[in-house]
Amino acid sequence: DAGVIQSPRHEVTEMGQEVTLRCKPISGHNSLFWYRQTMMRGLELLIYFNNNVPIDDSGMPEDRFSAKMPNASFSTLKIQPSEPRDSAVYFCASSWQGLETQYFGPGTRLLVL
Amino acid sequence: QKEVEQNSGPLSVPEGAIASLNCTYSDRGSQSFFWYRQYSGKSPELIMSIYSNGDKEDGRFTAQLNKASQYVSLLIRDSQPSDSATYLCAVPNTGGFKTIFGAGTRLFVKA
Repeated sequence: DAGVIQSPRHEVTEMGQEVTLRCKPISGHNSLFWYRQTMMRGLELLIYFNNNVPIDDSGMPEDRFSAKMPNASFSTLKIQPSEPRDSAVYFCASSWQGLETQYFGPGTRLLVL
Repeated sequence: QKEVEQNSGPLSVPEGAIASLNCTYSDRGSQSFFWYRQYSGKSPELIMSIYSNGDKEDGRFTAQLNKASQYVSLLIRDSQPSDSATYLCAVPNTGGFKTIFGAGTRLFVKA
């Protein structure tokens, strides 16, 4: 089992640019989560998908953030336009059923200059 | 009050000692509780889950749950330097589909 796959692993961009983060959940899992982790705020849930449908996006900080899950094996998190305060590690996680054990991907380290 | 609270530490214990990590939560309806370990620069990984009051043991790890006190703890016996990491308490809420993570406790095990 390859685990949760995220790309890119590192991203450095300039303020105002569009950033797209990608995630492939574990095959067979029907729940997918996007988290953001910073020293100041810890691990924050941004959005949760169940069976490819967004269930809870209350954690998405503002309209600059959007997420999609076009099929069971792929999800994207997009930031447009990016700002320096978006610099963080973004994790994707998947689980069999929403509140059960979540398996985290390696994360994407985003730095917005 | 935060939904899931942990002492941020750092907690420092000598090798071979027992490390005790604590977590309190606010949602009385929560039914499942998880401990994740996160090494520096890595992603969180599940080490223990507990659903019923009492103790649950897995090797050197013991999770303790007291729903009346809304308290869950993790004990690490015979602590090793390799246990040095941040430990995250995670509690799914009953009102929706969200798992709330605590801020984490940094543990240092000194050789």
